[in-house]
Amino acid sequence: EPEVTQTPSHQVTQMGQEVILRCVPISNHLYFYWYRQILGQKVEFLVSFYNNEISEKSEIFDDQFSVERPDGSNFTLKIRSTKLEDSAMYFCASSLRTGRGNTIYFGEGSWLTVV
Amino acid sequence: KQEVTQIPAALSVPEGENLVLNCSFTDSAIYNLQWFRQDPGKGLTSLLLIQSSQREQTSGRLNASLDKSSGRSTLYIAASQPGDSATYLCAVTQGGSEKLVFGKGTKLTVNP
Repeated sequence: EPEVTQTPSHQVTQMGQEVILRCVPISNHLYFYWYRQILGQKVEFLVSFYNNEISEKSEIFDDQFSVERPDGSNFTLKIRSTKLEDSAMYFCASSLRTGRGNTIYFGEGSWLTVV
Repeated sequence: KQEVTQIPAALSVPEGENLVLNCSFTDSAIYNLQWFRQDPGKGLTSLLLIQSSQREQTSGRLNASLDKSSGRSTLYIAASQPGDSATYLCAVTQGGSEKLVFGKGTKLTVNP
């Protein structure tokens, strides 16, 4: 069964450093997403991406975050200057379409620890 | 603003028992409700999706129902097994937005 793959599975970084999290969505999907889950808290939406541009973003997704689809297969999340509170599990997801009946598929996640 | 609540936060049952997990949402104008399973430190596995026009969906031992007008969904697990132990998350999407709004989940432990 097709799946969303994410790398790295775990990354430790120093506060203030830039981090890039990578994702390969399901190949025929058109909509891509990033979510995060701080330990013990709810999964939260960060951003959605369609047709090479951001289609929706949350208030969490401020100027330190950016997303990119550098080629036909990868989808990346960049955090420019990491803070301690950015420590979380980051999930990439993809879907074929949006709206009613649309199933969103998630990857295994990338644990980010900021020290 | 949509809020999703899941009760109970944790549930422990003996193997073989049938059980029900509950999900409620504050704004009934949803498009879809999706149930996920999350194993510790792992990603989210989609279990069932119910469209707003549907009342229930079934997959194997799982049955999810939706009462949109009252803002509730239940996930019924029949004949539970230790392998069902995980956190079960409920999430909704609404018209005009692509994002899933999640509940905090119910942590299920099935004891052999």
